[in-house]
Amino acid sequence: DIQLTQSPMSLSASVGDRVTITCRANETSSMYLNWYQQKSGRAPRLLIYVASSLQSGVPSRFSGSGSGTDFSLTISSLKPEDFATYYCQQTYSTPFTFGGGTKVEI
Amino acid sequence: QVQLVQSGAEVKKPGASVKVSCTASGYTFSSCYMYWVRQAPGQGLEWMGMVDPSGGSTIYAQKFQGRVTMTSDTSASTVYMELSSLRSDDTAVYYCARDPREPFGGRRFDYWGQGTPVSVSS
Repeated sequence: DIQLTQSPMSLSASVGDRVTITCRANETSSMYLNWYQQKSGRAPRLLIYVASSLQSGVPSRFSGSGSGTDFSLTISSLKPEDFATYYCQQTYSTPFTFGGGTKVEI
Repeated sequence: QVQLVQSGAEVKKPGASVKVSCTASGYTFSSCYMYWVRQAPGQGLEWMGMVDPSGGSTIYAQKFQGRVTMTSDTSASTVYMELSSLRSDDTAVYYCARDPREPFGGRRFDYWGQGTPVSVSS
């Protein structure tokens, strides 16, 4: 199984900050890496797919990059509604594993 | 608009089985894969498996092999996830999620159900 390690596990930031979360795979995921946002008590929401494609309806302040084993999610200017936990997921091979999550506190 | 509506909360005893449903609307049901993901209290997301409603084929995570069954009913636009031999560590929120199955977007989970809490306790 492909293991995904996210860092940091949590971070504290201010409105307007640029935030970057990283996701490292223990073997290649090629470009098949997605990012999700989950708010407390809610289902996850797809933000980014195939590493850098923005899901329809997601604000352009979210962006993704990377390939192979190293990926990142960047929020260019943090807004109060971005307080949430963020997960990466690889869909290169089953099981489609998730990272452990990064909690972003404003 | 696309909607995935799941069945309600369940409380089960250890050793029992649970069957959770997920009813889809707003798109052609058989054209998209459906996945099941669970989340234990305070924990991360765990992929359980998938079902292709067009033919019923399935892929299960090794961890759940032998205990999980995922099925689909195209006449009802509904997929089901049944988990047997329940243990206390199966206590979690269970989500269904849709994959639009587009040729160039890879596999992705673009719509999710609201989640079904399952509690396993004696």
